[in-house]
Amino acid sequence: NAGVTQTPKFQVLKTGQSMTLQCAQDMNHEYMSWYRQDPGMGLRLIHYSVGAGITDQGEVPNGYNVSRSTTEDFPLRLLSAAPSQTSVYFCASRPGTGGASYGYTFGSGTRLTVV
Amino acid sequence: RKEVEQDPGPFNVPEGATVAFNCTYSNSASQSFFWYRQDCRKEPKLLMSVYSSGNEDGRFTAQLNRASQYISLLIRDSKLSDSATYLCVVYSNYQLIWGAGTKLIIKP
Repeated sequence: NAGVTQTPKFQVLKTGQSMTLQCAQDMNHEYMSWYRQDPGMGLRLIHYSVGAGITDQGEVPNGYNVSRSTTEDFPLRLLSAAPSQTSVYFCASRPGTGGASYGYTFGSGTRLTVV
Repeated sequence: RKEVEQDPGPFNVPEGATVAFNCTYSNSASQSFFWYRQDCRKEPKLLMSVYSSGNEDGRFTAQLNRASQYISLLIRDSKLSDSATYLCVVYSNYQLIWGAGTKLIIKP
């Protein structure tokens, strides 16, 4: 199994551009989420989804949109990139039941630079 | 105050030494506790869950003190391959709250 696949691995954007970070999982996990990781800070939750058609905001949702049309895919859209969105982005999934006890499976991350 | 606090380090220790990491959390209603490991420029990976009675996995021992809202991780007989950042994570209000991590460098 591939687990959680994120694309692209690296991206440079100009301020104001939009783009979509892709995330796909093949484990039939109900729960999927997007985090950003910045130096000196813990991972911060951007958006999450508990199943197809259901999404909700996390701690830092401004400037990002998500949708969940299938169980497998959970893309993250940057509407108008800003330098403050320069970060490493991780997609993570877990089974719907059991809370966090089963552990989250992470993608390998997307390193985004906005200039 | 951060919800989950860790000493950022880095901790520089010789191979074979014992090293301890500490973590405090602010929400007394937190339900579950974990240690994740993150290698440089890689994704976090679950190292172990932390149970109230304390638990051990090989050279790694995790302990939880709910009264003091404190979590610890002990690594015995450290190996070069233990060099990484160790992330304290608390499950609270249906979400994971992450510490910023403690960097560990094992020296030969």
